[in-house]
Amino acid sequence: NAGVTQTPKFQVLKTGQSMTLQCAQDMNHNSMYWYRQDPGMGLRLIYYSASEGTTDKGEVPNGYNVSRLNKREFSLRLESAAPSQTSVYFCASSEVQEDNEQFFGPGTRLTVL
Amino acid sequence: RKEVEQDPGPFNVPEGATVAFNCTYSNSASQSFFWYRQDCRKEPKLLMSVYSSGNEDGRFTAQLNRASQYISLLIRDSKLSDSATYLCVVFRGYSSASKIIFGSGTRLSIRP
Repeated sequence: NAGVTQTPKFQVLKTGQSMTLQCAQDMNHNSMYWYRQDPGMGLRLIYYSASEGTTDKGEVPNGYNVSRLNKREFSLRLESAAPSQTSVYFCASSEVQEDNEQFFGPGTRLTVL
Repeated sequence: RKEVEQDPGPFNVPEGATVAFNCTYSNSASQSFFWYRQDCRKEPKLLMSVYSSGNEDGRFTAQLNRASQYISLLIRDSKLSDSATYLCVVFRGYSSASKIIFGSGTRLSIRP
């Protein structure tokens, strides 16, 4: 079991470029999440998917889009990257939305110049 | 004011010491509470849930005080491997889009 995997691990973008962060889980979890972590801010929820076929906005959705491609995969897209989106991005999954335990991927370190 | 607040630390204590830190939350409707651990440049991992009656897992004890709206984590006989950042996590409830709130973490460093 790989758990939650994310690609890429590191990325540098120029302002205005677009990219998609990929996330996959092999635990047959229903719920998946995208967070960003900034120094002194804790993790903030960008988008989540309670189950396959549904997505909802979290606390900081502006500038991002998501796709729940199937039960395993949940991608995050930056259409026009901005320096304010420089952050560490974590994908997570849980068996159900209200489950106690979320399992996190290793993170993607994104720098936007 | 942040909805979930933690003392950022760092707490720097000798091996074998007992250390405790608190986390306060402002939304009285918060339903569930957790402690996660995050090692440097790694992903967070669940350490323990926090139950109303308090709970213990080996050297770790978690407490919830709903009246004063805080949770605490106590680590006894601390080990070098306990050095990490401890994240307080609050589950707000089912009606909000942002259901899970993470604190910004308390950094703990154990010295030999």
